[in-house]
Amino acid sequence: EAGVTQSPTHLIKTRGQQATLRCSPISGHTSVYWYQQALGLGLQFLLWYDEGEERNRGNFPPRFSGRQFPNYSSELNVNALELEDSALYLCASSPGSVRETQYFGPGTRLLVL
Amino acid sequence: AQTVTQSQPEMSVQEAETVTLSCTYDTSESDYYLFWYKQPPSRQMILVIRQEAYKQQNATENRFSVNFQKAAKSFSLKISDSQLGDAAMYFCAYRITPSNAGGTSYGKLTFGQGTILTVHP
Repeated sequence: EAGVTQSPTHLIKTRGQQATLRCSPISGHTSVYWYQQALGLGLQFLLWYDEGEERNRGNFPPRFSGRQFPNYSSELNVNALELEDSALYLCASSPGSVRETQYFGPGTRLLVL
Repeated sequence: AQTVTQSQPEMSVQEAETVTLSCTYDTSESDYYLFWYKQPPSRQMILVIRQEAYKQQNATENRFSVNFQKAAKSFSLKISDSQLGDAAMYFCAYRITPSNAGGTSYGKLTFGQGTILTVHP
């Protein structure tokens, strides 16, 4: 069974640009979660999508947004990139929103210059 | 707000020996989940073990076991017969249950700061 996949593996952008990160969940999983792992800040929850709807978001500005498609894959968009957005962005999926473990993908490393 | 604290930034162990990683958490909830995840240099987060708060029995997965002390809000991970492949960053994480749905904590994992484990041959 294929795990959670993310693309691209690495992304280099300049300040002010937009970044789009993609995530495909494990087959049969309907929930997708996004986390940011920045140096010195640990792992922070960004967004949670389930059945195409945003269920919760972390304490991040509105320029962090995303969506979930009918096939349950998800996209994270970061607008007006700032240097401090440089981080590893991890996507996780779970089979629905109830009592289930989140399984993580390999991450996308975003570097903002 | 829920918080998770890992007080050991780094730990080391000799191959084949046993090591215990500490984790404490703060919550007003009575029903929740606790997890240990491992993040090797490849950066992929891998689930090590999971504990439901309503279960008194400590979870075990092969060489990995936990000591869950609900009253003390403590959740330590014991790795027995340590192997070189166990070297990684270990994160303790907390999640409320769906019965406690709603609010800013719903659905998300709250992580500790991590403990880097080095295994010496």
